[in-house]
Amino acid sequence: GNSVTQMEGPVTLSEEAFLTINCTYTATGYPSLFWYVQYPGEGLQLLLKATKADDKGSNKGFEATYRKETTSFHLEKGSVQVSDSAVYFCALSGRTGTASKLTFGTGTRLQVTL
Amino acid sequence: EAGVAQSPRYKIIEKRQSVAFWCNPISGHATLYWYQQILGQGPKLLIQFQNNGVVDDSQLPKDRFSAERLKGVDSTLKIQPAKLEDSAVYLCASSPRQVVGLHEQYFGPGTRLTVT
Repeated sequence: GNSVTQMEGPVTLSEEAFLTINCTYTATGYPSLFWYVQYPGEGLQLLLKATKADDKGSNKGFEATYRKETTSFHLEKGSVQVSDSAVYFCALSGRTGTASKLTFGTGTRLQVTL
Repeated sequence: EAGVAQSPRYKIIEKRQSVAFWCNPISGHATLYWYQQILGQGPKLLIQFQNNGVVDDSQLPKDRFSAERLKGVDSTLKIQPAKLEDSAVYLCASSPRQVVGLHEQYFGPGTRLTVT
């Protein structure tokens, strides 16, 4: 079945540091890939997405590239801010029969300090 | 545009009691999902509705969990009787009519359930 593996957290960085959160996946067919973010006390929000190989999703300074050859979708940001502190979830969308559903990783908590 | 609404935000019950959660999706969204998010884990899909029909409930513990989406809009998720391991955040999400390969879901704030 489909699965997503993320690096374990927490990841602690100083403000303006470079961020990488690794994500690899196992899936049949050609899934779409997503990063969701969950700020404290809030629901999940879509951060970025990519729907086919070599696509790059980007939003709010975050980027991730759909790498089919390495089955990866690593999240990067060049300079993190304290406000980026949150839990980040990698997810893929696959189809089973008539249903299309998201499979999530376990999440990576990011803590950014001054 | 209003987001996905859920209530209550928090609920504490004793084991073997029953509980119900309510979700109002974004207007016009045909697909509605209920997820269970246990602390330290990613969300796990419990049930997916397309309008008022169930398209996937393979991971719903049907001996104690039930869900309905009357008239294809609001939905309720019920647990009866609750167990300690049901302590989790229950997330509702909705999305527009599905497009293959493009699957964006909008999540509500969740209901945090504690079973004691």
